[in-house]
Amino acid sequence: RKEVEQDPGPFNVPEGATVAFNCTYSNSASQSFFWYRQDCRKEPKLLMSVYSSGNEDGRFTAQLNRASQYISLLIRDSKLSDSATYLCVVISNTGGFKTIFGAGTRLFVKA
Amino acid sequence: SQTIHQWPATLVQPVGSPLSLECTVEGTSNPNLYWYRQAAGRGLQLLFYSVGIGQISSEVPQNLSASRPQDRQFILSSKKLLLSDSGFYLCAFQPKTTGSPVRAFFGQGTRLTVV
Repeated sequence: RKEVEQDPGPFNVPEGATVAFNCTYSNSASQSFFWYRQDCRKEPKLLMSVYSSGNEDGRFTAQLNRASQYISLLIRDSKLSDSATYLCVVISNTGGFKTIFGAGTRLFVKA
Repeated sequence: SQTIHQWPATLVQPVGSPLSLECTVEGTSNPNLYWYRQAAGRGLQLLFYSVGIGQISSEVPQNLSASRPQDRQFILSSKKLLLSDSGFYLCAFQPKTTGSPVRAFFGQGTRLTVV
């Protein structure tokens, strides 16, 4: 089983739609969680951290469920510019913090 | 401020040739350092990570190796490249903290094509 798993998509949605991405992780001792965004042929960039209580940043909402070892990202009112790959990131302490990325979920927002 | 430099940006190498990609970090000491590879249309695969000078953990057995000769320098090498080594290579650093681990910062990546 992969340490971090995501639905690869692609998700094709119209502008204005709400879209949700899910991610599961296998190491129950994982300590920090993030969502990154990667545009085509570019390096990943931090979108938002994921906190235990859930957090929101504008149209983006992230949630963490430690019991189910699951994190999610919700994008409301999708824009064309949201088209990208969204990567789930989990940091585990395995004798030194190790940052593991999910394979990413492709999102295409269409007019 | 904390920055990361990775070079070269693009590289075309023949099969069987050696490889050396370099990454340096500024503005922080004793960071965790990472090398990832991303094949076309795929996710990031962790290749190596390092928690300190001379400490390298390998995640995937392959013909690549990594070294950390200085605190803020991370080098990815190969003695003989294979076609399957083509991909987008990303170096990243993560500042050490006393609390929960923080996010990783990426270099701009090296696009390697083995021909």
